[in-house]
Amino acid sequence: GAVVSQHPSWVICKSGTSVKIECRSLDFQATTMFWYRQFPKQSLMLMATSNEGSKATYEQGVEKDKFLINHASLTLSTLTVTSAHPEDSSFYICSAREPGTNYNEQFFGPGTRLTVL
Amino acid sequence: KNQVEQSPQSLIILEGKNCTLQCNYTVSPFSNLRWYKQDTGRGPVSLTIMTFSENTKSNGRYTATLDADTKQSSLHITASQLSDSASYICVVSAKPYKYIFGTGTRLKVLA
Repeated sequence: GAVVSQHPSWVICKSGTSVKIECRSLDFQATTMFWYRQFPKQSLMLMATSNEGSKATYEQGVEKDKFLINHASLTLSTLTVTSAHPEDSSFYICSAREPGTNYNEQFFGPGTRLTVL
Repeated sequence: KNQVEQSPQSLIILEGKNCTLQCNYTVSPFSNLRWYKQDTGRGPVSLTIMTFSENTKSNGRYTATLDADTKQSSLHITASQLSDSASYICVVSAKPYKYIFGTGTRLKVLA
């Protein structure tokens, strides 16, 4: 159990286009999902916390108008990178928290590799 | 400031050998500490989790220790295998649920 999927697993796009990444909890309902970004040889950096049915909470320095997050259902959150630029190229990872579990466990997705040309 | 530091940054060992990775943290209020394994291009996978009152936890060839007094943790890998090559991330959870990630240790196991 506790499986989180992401789609797509990788995407290449042209500068200026928008890219949507999906994060799904496959076998549990996630009231809270998290979006992370990871640059090469660095650890995960939290971008935003997404709560179902409400606006996302963004970390300091993360542009909410550039990284649009929608958590429309208990099993799906989406991250849209708007007007992507080469500096947005990174590995994006989501996680989902199943309410009521021990230790406030977050289950991580496999990640999405974004390359902006 | 909440911080998690890991050492070494990278490590190369021969297959079959043991190794120990270190994690020091300054996180308050402390909830729990996790070790994750992250293969290249994949999401992190949980290895162990320990609360304040636990000082050791094993998962197969992985054994984690926690000293809450000195705020240190270690991950010991026994009889390493080629498949152990990955990044190992120490994550300390600050109440209520925020994760503080360490910088990771990149382990390479050679045949």
